[in-house]
Amino acid sequence: GDSVTQMEGPVTLSEEAFLTINCTYTATGYPSLFWYVQYPGEGLQLLLKATKADDKGSNKGFEATYRKETTSFHLEKGSVQVSDSAVYFCALSDLDNYGQNFVFGPGTRLSVLP
Amino acid sequence: DGGITQSPKYLFRKEGQNVTLSCEQNLNHDAMYWYRQDPGQGLRLIYYSQIVNDFQKGDIAEGYSVSREKKESFPLTVTSAQKNPTAFYLCASSPSTGATGDTQYFGPGTRLTVL
Repeated sequence: GDSVTQMEGPVTLSEEAFLTINCTYTATGYPSLFWYVQYPGEGLQLLLKATKADDKGSNKGFEATYRKETTSFHLEKGSVQVSDSAVYFCALSDLDNYGQNFVFGPGTRLSVLP
Repeated sequence: DGGITQSPKYLFRKEGQNVTLSCEQNLNHDAMYWYRQDPGQGLRLIYYSQIVNDFQKGDIAEGYSVSREKKESFPLTVTSAQKNPTAFYLCASSPSTGATGDTQYFGPGTRLTVL
């Protein structure tokens, strides 16, 4: 079945540091890829997405490029802020017999220190 | 404002009791989902529904039940058969247009604690 693997956390960075969170996937079809963010005690919010190979998703300074050849969708940000501290989930969406199916990675906790 | 509401935000129950978690959406989405999240863990799918009066088991359906009598509502019942129900429960919905790129939107979650 489909699966998503993320780098182990937690990740601790100083403010203004460069961020990379690795994400790789396995899928039998042609999935769309997503990054979601979760702040403490809240639900998940969409951060960005890409629906086909070589697409780049971007939002709030975060970027990720859909790389089909390496089955990856790494999240990057050039300069993190304390307010970026959260848990980040990589996910894929595929279609099965019943409709749209989402698979989430385990999440990566990011802490940004002032 | 359009969105997904879950109630209550915090829920306490005694062992052996059934409890129902509410999920309502006004996004006109066809598909709705229930996930369970344990501390420091990812999301595990409990049940999902692509259309009214139809739903499918997810990866961890044992001890849970759902209904989908209305498009906007997808309540989850945690039964006494669920051995370890203390967790954070998230409801989500998506337009389900047949495209993999449809975004899944999440509610704020309900934290269930069994005393």
